[in-house]
Amino acid sequence: VIWMTQSPSLLSASTGDRVTISCRMSQGISSYLAWYQQKPGKAPELLIYAASTLQSGVPSRFSGSGSGTDFTLTISCLQSEDFATYYCQQYYSFPRTFGQGTKVEIK
Amino acid sequence: QVQLVESGGGLVKPGGSLRLSCAASGFTFSDYYMSWIRQAPGKGLEWVSYISSSGSTIYYADSVKGRFTISRDNAKNSLYLQMNSLRAEDTAVYYCARDLTTMYSSGVFDYWGQGTLVTVSS
Repeated sequence: VIWMTQSPSLLSASTGDRVTISCRMSQGISSYLAWYQQKPGKAPELLIYAASTLQSGVPSRFSGSGSGTDFTLTISCLQSEDFATYYCQQYYSFPRTFGQGTKVEIK
Repeated sequence: QVQLVESGGGLVKPGGSLRLSCAASGFTFSDYYMSWIRQAPGKGLEWVSYISSSGSTIYYADSVKGRFTISRDNAKNSLYLQMNSLRAEDTAVYYCARDLTTMYSSGVFDYWGQGTLVTVSS
């Protein structure tokens, strides 16, 4: 099983801020990493896959980077609709696993 | 447009059974691998099971292996999860999710249903 450590678990930020979320793997996964956004009471939505490929329709202020064991999700200019919980997910091997989540809240 | 609609959740006693369904529309269901993913109240996401487009390849999380069975009916555009020997720790919202690519498993979930709540309690 590939374990994932996502940090921070809680991030307080203001609209317009640049925020960064980290995801570290227990073993290398090449670029087999996705990021999802989840708002309260809603299903997760795919933001990024293959570590840095933006899903169709996702704003360009979202970006992903990394490979191997260390990955980052960056939101370049936080908007009001970006306050949500973010999850990383590896798909290098079974079982598919998710990070613990990072809640981005209004400062 | 792609739609995934889960149903079948509810309250069940420990040791009981429940069958979840996921009705798909807006895409060629038989081309896509599908998964079930769950989320316990206030917790993170946990992948549960996956089935190939033809149904010939199946994987389960260790936490549900031997108790849950995933299946699909491509003629009915439907995905199922038969859950037996339910435990309190199975309490969660269960989502069905579509794989990003057709004909093989990318492992990325691009469309999710709204979820159905399963509560296991006496």
